[in-house]
Amino acid sequence: SAVISQKPSRDICQRGTSLTIQCQVDSQVTMMFWYRQQPGQSLTLIATANQGSEATYESGFVIDKFPISRPNLTFSTLTVSNMSPEDSSIYLCSVEDNWAEAFFGQGTRLTVV
Amino acid sequence: AQSVAQPEDQVNVAEGNPLTVKCTYSVSGNPYLFWYVQYPNRGLQFLLKYITGDNLVKGSYGFEAEFNKSQTSFHLKKPSALVSDSALYFCAVRDDYKLSFGAGTTVTVRA
Repeated sequence: SAVISQKPSRDICQRGTSLTIQCQVDSQVTMMFWYRQQPGQSLTLIATANQGSEATYESGFVIDKFPISRPNLTFSTLTVSNMSPEDSSIYLCSVEDNWAEAFFGQGTRLTVV
Repeated sequence: AQSVAQPEDQVNVAEGNPLTVKCTYSVSGNPYLFWYVQYPNRGLQFLLKYITGDNLVKGSYGFEAEFNKSQTSFHLKKPSALVSDSALYFCAVRDDYKLSFGAGTTVTVRA
């Protein structure tokens, strides 16, 4: 199993500003995943972050809006840039173990006002 | 592309009664199927998975799921539901290295 620490747990931000979310894993992992979840709804994959290479973004998500860093095998950050109220959501970090089981952070609940 | 569907937004059952949460899938090739649960204000937790082998898969908290290839289904079941099982349940399929989630089913177990 993996333990993921994600912070901040929640934030209220002004539109036009940026927020960086941190994700720390207690073991080394090759891939880290970032999801967005509207409250009570499904998860949508934003991007996959590999150490030493650029993140791979899903359709509808771009690097300028959601830049990702992956400086080592246990840490990643997701930045939500130039925020608007439509970015209000829960952002989740995830990793997988060797048996294809995914583990998730507690999430960051973002409200943009 | 691989996908899963959860046809029910909500499932309501009385405590002690059987609980079933439905999931159907669409894949090319052999499916890797999962169930996750999200309790209020908490992250997702892994319940169980099917990759190969026995069609009946047992998981955490007394849950099980049956893989049915002919019906392309992977329904989650629990013989006797508890109030503490009230949560949001997601079915998911693995496509290459990525997970695709269903819309989710909110389960409410009443005392």
